[in-house]
Amino acid sequence: NAGVTQTPKFQVLKTGQSMTLQCAQDMNHEYMSWYRQDPGMGLRLIHYSVGAGITDQGEVPNGYNVSRSTTEDFPLRLLSAAPSQTSVYFCASSYSSQGYGTEAFFGQGTRLTVV
Amino acid sequence: AQSVTQLDSQVPVFEEAPVELRCNYSSSVSVYLFWYVQYPNQGLQLLLKYLSGSTLVKGINGFEAEFNKSQTSFHLRKPSVHISDTAEYFCAVSGVNTGGFKTIFGAGTRLFVKA
Repeated sequence: NAGVTQTPKFQVLKTGQSMTLQCAQDMNHEYMSWYRQDPGMGLRLIHYSVGAGITDQGEVPNGYNVSRSTTEDFPLRLLSAAPSQTSVYFCASSYSSQGYGTEAFFGQGTRLTVV
Repeated sequence: AQSVTQLDSQVPVFEEAPVELRCNYSSSVSVYLFWYVQYPNQGLQLLLKYLSGSTLVKGINGFEAEFNKSQTSFHLRKPSVHISDTAEYFCAVSGVNTGGFKTIFGAGTRLFVKA
């Protein structure tokens, strides 16, 4: 059971470049989300999805796009990379109980540097 | 909106000493509460969770936490820490005031266990 798989693990981009961070889960979870982790700020929610075809913005959505065409996949697109997007990105999935998100299963993270 | 406050950014402690990592959240209305641990250069993994029932929750690696509704707290405790417990710990909440599915994280507490 692979759980949540993120690729790539490391990436260096030049300012203005675009790229897609991939995330896939094999647990049939309804809920998937993307977070960024910066020192002293915990994990901040970028975008989330409550099912295929349904996405919504989190706390820090600017500069990022998402789509969810299948239950398994939830890619995160950086449209035009900026140095402020240098961070560690985590994808997570969870199931719901009584309408609330339960424990999140995390990928190993993508360390992104924008120069 | 729901918020999570971890009261200590760093906690140094000697091996075999007890430790408490403090977490407060803004509203007790229908919440699920979690503690996650992150070892260096890894993703987050669940330590324990409170969904309902007993307010004292036991997790992995000898950790436990107590849900205190009146004080809106969910402090994490371990009676005797080991060097291998050195990591960053995150408190998180989902529930009515996060929109249900969304999980909100605190800024993290770095536990440093000294020999």
